[in-house]
Amino acid sequence: GAVVSQHPSWVICKSGTSVKIECRSLDFQATTMFWYRQFPKQSLMLMATSNEGSKATYEQGVEKDKFLINHASLTLSTLTVTSAHPEDSSFYICSASGTGQGIWYEQYFGPGTRLTVT
Amino acid sequence: AQKVTQAQTEISVVEKEDVTLDCVYETRDTTYYLFWYKQPPSGELVFLIRRNSFDEQNEISGRYSWNFQKSTSSFNFTITASQVVDSAVYFCALVLGGRAGANSKLTFGKGITLSVRP
Repeated sequence: GAVVSQHPSWVICKSGTSVKIECRSLDFQATTMFWYRQFPKQSLMLMATSNEGSKATYEQGVEKDKFLINHASLTLSTLTVTSAHPEDSSFYICSASGTGQGIWYEQYFGPGTRLTVT
Repeated sequence: AQKVTQAQTEISVVEKEDVTLDCVYETRDTTYYLFWYKQPPSGELVFLIRRNSFDEQNEISGRYSWNFQKSTSSFNFTITASQVVDSAVYFCALVLGGRAGANSKLTFGKGITLSVRP
């Protein structure tokens, strides 16, 4: 149980275009989803936290107009990178927590999406 | 604010050697959870263990063992008889207890890159 999927697993896009990444909880209700960004050889950096049906809370320094997060249902959150530039190239990881797993503080991680902007 | 320090950045061992990965944390809260994750080259985070602040029992799972010492704020991870498949980046993380949902932010250490040579 507690499986989180991400789609796509990798994507290449041209500079100036927008890219949408989906994060789905497959077998539980995700009341909270988290989006992380990871540069090569670095740790995970939290970008934003979203609760189902509410606006996302962005971490300091993360541009909310560039990284649009929508958590429209208890099983789906999306991250849209708008007007992508090469510096947005990174590994994006989502995680989800919710009810049914036994512990509130458990985050279940998706497999990640590797974005390359050319 | 809480903090997780993984002072070791890279460790290289020969197969069958034992290796200990250090993790030191800081928090003023008395209720918290500590985690270890493994991130192989594929990028997907693999959950290894969760420990709450009230449970100082050491844990062993196969070749893996964890030593939690509140007196030194440490949660160290030992791999016995290392194998090439153990090569990965290992992250220690902390989340504060008593809060759920959007406040359940994980604080990650910078990670330790473990290379196990045949």
